[in-house]
Amino acid sequence: DADVTQTPRNRITKTGKRIMLECSQTKGHDRMYWYRQDPGLGLRLIYYSFDVKDINKGEISDGYSVSRQAQAKFSLSLESAIPNQTALYFCATSEFGTSGTQETQYFGPGTRLLVL
Amino acid sequence: AQTVTQSQPEMSVQEAETVTLSCTYDTSESDYYLFWYKQPPSRQMILVIRQEAYKQQNATENRFSVNFQKAAKSFSLKISDSQLGDAAMYFCAYRRGEIYGGSQGNLIFGKGTKLSVKP
Repeated sequence: DADVTQTPRNRITKTGKRIMLECSQTKGHDRMYWYRQDPGLGLRLIYYSFDVKDINKGEISDGYSVSRQAQAKFSLSLESAIPNQTALYFCATSEFGTSGTQETQYFGPGTRLLVL
Repeated sequence: AQTVTQSQPEMSVQEAETVTLSCTYDTSESDYYLFWYKQPPSRQMILVIRQEAYKQQNATENRFSVNFQKAAKSFSLKISDSQLGDAAMYFCAYRRGEIYGGSQGNLIFGKGTKLSVKP
């Protein structure tokens, strides 16, 4: 089974709808992240969480919110979806520490979102 | 703010040959980590190789190796004996060290290089 899972894998929604993307991990990592990938722009950070009570905005948080329901679960919500939020969304996890392996982020398979 | 630049939007290599992907970064920090991720058509982000800035020795993982030039802020990826399965987007990424607090742990990505492998 995959260590980091995302649901749904693909989603089509309409402008103005509220949607939630979910991420679960079995790696036991403290830290979780949401990224957005647009063609030609690489990945950009939306939100990140270092533990259940610690949530922080990333580079492009406007129009998004998150919830860290448990150490293993981190959800991303679009309160009122708009077409320019059409993108590929990735969840990632990492373990707190200072060794090289602990600094590595492990990614889920991604959710492709289309907002019409 | 830290930035990561990949100046080659696309690269092509013949199967079994060697190819080098370029990455430069800008930072004033001394403690950081650098990564190369591979994204095949399946879109999964897969870690290829990782380098700690405090280590002078270049990281290697089988056919993948890096040329880390800290003074020049350069972090290129060399793929030897290229295989068809190496065809993918490759992303270079930077992460600041823990000593800086704040947003440590977040990856800053370059825009990627699309690698094609010709049979």
